[in-house]
Amino acid sequence: GQNIDQPTEMTATEGAIVQINCTYQTSGFNGLFWYQQHAGEAPTFLSYNVLDGLEEKGRFSSFLSRSKGYSYLLLKELQMKDSASYLCALMDSNYQLIWGAGTKLIIKP
Amino acid sequence: DTAVSQTPKYLVTQMGNDKSIKCEQNLGHDTMYWYKQDSKKFLKIMFSYNNKELIINETVPNRFSPKSPDKAHLNLHINSLELGDSAVYFCASSQENSGSGANVLTFGAGSRLTVL
Repeated sequence: GQNIDQPTEMTATEGAIVQINCTYQTSGFNGLFWYQQHAGEAPTFLSYNVLDGLEEKGRFSSFLSRSKGYSYLLLKELQMKDSASYLCALMDSNYQLIWGAGTKLIIKP
Repeated sequence: DTAVSQTPKYLVTQMGNDKSIKCEQNLGHDTMYWYKQDSKKFLKIMFSYNNKELIINETVPNRFSPKSPDKAHLNLHINSLELGDSAVYFCASSQENSGSGANVLTFGAGSRLTVL
């Protein structure tokens, strides 16, 4: 079966850097997504990794290691508006998305 | 301008009632979805639908029925509502249901259903 783990909650300081980890177990893999969800709002797409390595997009970067079943989302120069839940989602062999429970990120001044 | 719009945003109703949530997308996407997000924040796929096929998650009770009058609309009808149905229901769409990297989901704002 499939399994996705990510920390329930993290706290960081405005202006700092934070890394949100996601580990997964799956028999089939077709990519890993990160989404951001502000409280009471819809999830919005951040990144997609299907090959090993780092994808950089502005202040946000996402890393994937398929052999380790591991991904992380790196947020730099944190801003208060980055306070949100960050959802890791795995695309399985049937191209279905399996979602993690999300990591609630709290940014403090 | 709204890409994926769903109504109503809030719905409060009594157990046993029947209710519907409507969803429309103006992105020209081929595939639409219904997700349920419970209090623990897990997003669980309920249905996905494109022009050719309705894919039903087998764990979804048959009280839930999707209806798609056309490619741009996927409505959700729920019969005999139960307390456990209380959740936020998200509609979403994507260009295609594949792993090409094009399967980025655009979500609606969500419909919070409260069953009393």
